[in-house]
Amino acid sequence: SYVLTQPPSVSVAPGQTARITCGTNITRGNSVHWYQQRPGQAPVLVVYDDSDRPSGIPERFSGSNSGNTATLTISRVEAGDEADYYCQVWDTTDLYVFGTGTKVTVL
Amino acid sequence: QVQLVQSGAEVKKPGASVKVSCKASGYTFSTYPMHWVRQALGQRLEWMGWINGGNGKTKYSEKFQGRVIITRDTSASTAYMDLSSLRSEDTAVYYCARSKWGVDAFDIWGQGTMITVSS
Repeated sequence: SYVLTQPPSVSVAPGQTARITCGTNITRGNSVHWYQQRPGQAPVLVVYDDSDRPSGIPERFSGSNSGNTATLTISRVEAGDEADYYCQVWDTTDLYVFGTGTKVTVL
Repeated sequence: QVQLVQSGAEVKKPGASVKVSCKASGYTFSTYPMHWVRQALGQRLEWMGWINGGNGKTKYSEKFQGRVIITRDTSASTAYMDLSSLRSEDTAVYYCARSKWGVDAFDIWGQGTMITVSS
């Protein structure tokens, strides 16, 4: 089964770039999805299938999957990006698995 | 617009059962899978199970097998999650979430339902 480890927190100044990593044994064949969850709100899908963006998600959000690690990149960070971010994969044994979550703080 | 609206918060005693509803609108309910995901306070998201909106087939996480039942009423465009033998550790926000066939991501989420288990 997958271990989707994320850094507990990432701090970034406005206008800079935040990078959030996910996973210790993700294989290139598994698609990784990313969610943003603001306090008290439901999650929102921001990246799916490693690097695709749903309609309405800014281009500032991008994803990549190099094999062992997937990365969500938030460019030109804004105050409104402050939230928890979760990665997620589908696995044949555990089915839908979420990462440990990363709190992004905008300084 | 596409949205999922869930039933309201509930307080239950240990050992009881709870049933949460999720009404879909803005799309054809029977053509998409519906999932249930929960989140305890300060914890990660946890997938519980899903139902095929068309044929009603279900699949559950091993963790909840035997305690959770997911059903749907296509005429009402509503999915239900029934969790039994509640314990304090089940205190959490429960979400319904839609996925698309061929994409293992959850593109639309309900607003969440807080379930508190307390004696």
